This record gives sequence, C-alpha cells and structure tokens, in this order.
Amino acid sequence: DIQMTQSPSPLSASVGDSVTITCRASQNIRNYLNWYQQKPGKAPRLLIHTASILQSGVPSRFSGSGSGTDFTLTISSLQPEDFATYYCQQSYSVPAFTFGPGTKVEI
Amino acid sequence: QITLKESGPTLVKPTQTLTLTCTFSGFSLSTSGEGVGWIRQPPGEALEWFALIYWDDDKRYSPALRSRLTVTKDTSRNQVVLRMTSMESVDTATYYCAHLSPGTLGFDYWGQGALVTVSS
Repeated sequence: DIQMTQSPSPLSASVGDSVTITCRASQNIRNYLNWYQQKPGKAPRLLIHTASILQSGVPSRFSGSGSGTDFTLTISSLQPEDFATYYCQQSYSVPAFTFGPGTKVEI
Repeated sequence: QITLKESGPTLVKPTQTLTLTCTFSGFSLSTSGEGVGWIRQPPGEALEWFALIYWDDDKRYSPALRSRLTVTKDTSRNQVVLRMTSMESVDTATYYCAHLSPGTLGFDYWGQGALVTVSS
C-alpha cells in the first residue's frame, strides 16, 4: 500500500506570508497527486489535481508542484480565508485513494 | 451543477449495521467513467477513503474495511447505498460521499457529510 506523509504540521503563519506544505509518497506515484482544503465543519474542497493543475474557481495564489514521490503545495500571500487544514491524496494506486495526515495552517 | 447529499441514522449501536444513502444530481452513474466514493473522518482526525463504485458497477474497497462493506447503486434513483456491518465506537465519524472526476481522478464534489455516532 502507498503511504502518504505531510509536513509540517501544524504550520504557523501570518496573513501575507508565502507558505509551502510538503507531501511525500512511499513510492513513485508519477503526478497522480491531488490537494484538498478543509475548513472546520465543512467538506473538503479540491484545490489542485494531477500535482499542479488548479481546479476551476481556485485562486491563483495556490500552486502545486512535484512528481514521483515529493510534492509541494504553495500558497503565496496567505489570506484570512486560507487558514484551514490541507490534505494531499494519491490517485495512482487506484482505487486506493490514500490521503495524507493533513497539515493545519494556523495563525 | 453536481450535488450530493448523505442521509441515514445519526446514532447506531455497537454490532449494528450502518446504512447510508448518497443521493446525487448533475451526473449519471450510468455514464462511462463516472464514480462515487465514500470517505470518512473521525472527529479531529484525517480523511480516510474506504469505498468506491464505478459506472460499470465495479466496486473497490479499502482492504482494512473490505469484509464489512457493501456499496450498491440505483441508477434510476441517482443513489448510492453504503452498508457497513459490525459497527464499533471507532467507526464514529463524519461520512462523506463524493463525485470522482473521471478526468482528474480527484473528488471534485462532496456531500455535506453525515455524522454517525456509534454508542449504546
């Protein structure tokens, strides 16, 4: 089974900061990596798919990169509404859609 | 516009079977490539994918829960039904159904979630 890890957690930041979250897969997943944002009491929201493609409607301050085993999600100029928990998820070993443990971005 | 909504009991007793229904609109599970997944989240914990059903009735389950799960679809009603047997307190969680995007293999639309508590 493919395992996903994330760092750091939590991540302390301020409005206007640029932050980067790292996700690592236990084996090569090519670019089959998605990122989600979840706010308390809400369902997750797909931000980025296929490692670097922004989902429709997602602000351009979100970006993703990486391939193979190492991936990053970057939020440039953090906004108040960006404080949330972020999850990576692999879709290579379909249909075992493994999620990472999450990274909470907090003030 | 795709929408999904979970429905079912909020409280089940230990050893009982949980039945949750996902009612959706905006797509058809008879269309090639479509799929609906189930993901759960215990309070304060991470997301856990555990089941998926495809348009062609192909079903996939998490190995950890496979022996307890059954997922079925009713295409005419636009519903997916989840059955999970032998519920325990550790199964207390918010249960989400979500649309699997055929093109991206990401869950692009989610239900609001249904909190299920397992307690006697």
